[in-house]
Amino acid sequence: EPEVTQTPSHQVTQMGQEVILRCVPISNHLYFYWYRQILGQKVEFLVSFYNNEISEKSEIFDDQFSVERPDGSNFTLKIRSTKLEDSAMYFCASSGLSDVRGYTFGSGTRLTVV
Amino acid sequence: AQSVSQHNHHVILSEAASLELGCNYSYGGTVNLFWYVQYPGQHLQLLLKYFSGDPLVKGIKGFEAEFIKSKFSFNLRKPSVQWSDTAEYFCAVNRRTGTASKLTFGTGTRLQVTL
Repeated sequence: EPEVTQTPSHQVTQMGQEVILRCVPISNHLYFYWYRQILGQKVEFLVSFYNNEISEKSEIFDDQFSVERPDGSNFTLKIRSTKLEDSAMYFCASSGLSDVRGYTFGSGTRLTVV
Repeated sequence: AQSVSQHNHHVILSEAASLELGCNYSYGGTVNLFWYVQYPGQHLQLLLKYFSGDPLVKGIKGFEAEFIKSKFSFNLRKPSVQWSDTAEYFCAVNRRTGTASKLTFGTGTRLQVTL
């Protein structure tokens, strides 16, 4: 079964530092997503990406966040200047063109901002 | 905007008990519905999904869910839970547009199964 791969599994960073979370979506998928889950809370949508541009983003996804698909296989989420409240589990997901098959989630990156 | 409500935040059951977790959504249009499970320390895994057709959907591990359009509900059921079902369960919905769109998740229900 194809998988979505995320690295690293756990990242600790100091407040104000930049972090890049990496994801390798399923190769024939066309839509890519980032979600986050603050400890004990629900999974929240951050951004969706299609055809090399953002197709939708939430209020959480402010100017401190950016996404990129630099080489046709990786899909990255960058947080420019991390805040304590950015500490969360970040999940990458991908899906095909149609919503019929659903979404495949990665195992997540736990980001801890200290 | 679409939203998803899961009213049971924490459920404790004995092994072999029957399970029903509630999920209600609000959205005026046509939706796809999903249940995901998250075992401790692991990622989200799809249990089952509903797109169209038979409103009673069967998923993996003996789970099923019933879509009741008039009640905007998609409750998850299992006749007899096992200790290994201890996990967090998330209901999710997205707009049915024919192309992929974002998922909106409920707050989750933590299921604890005791021996």
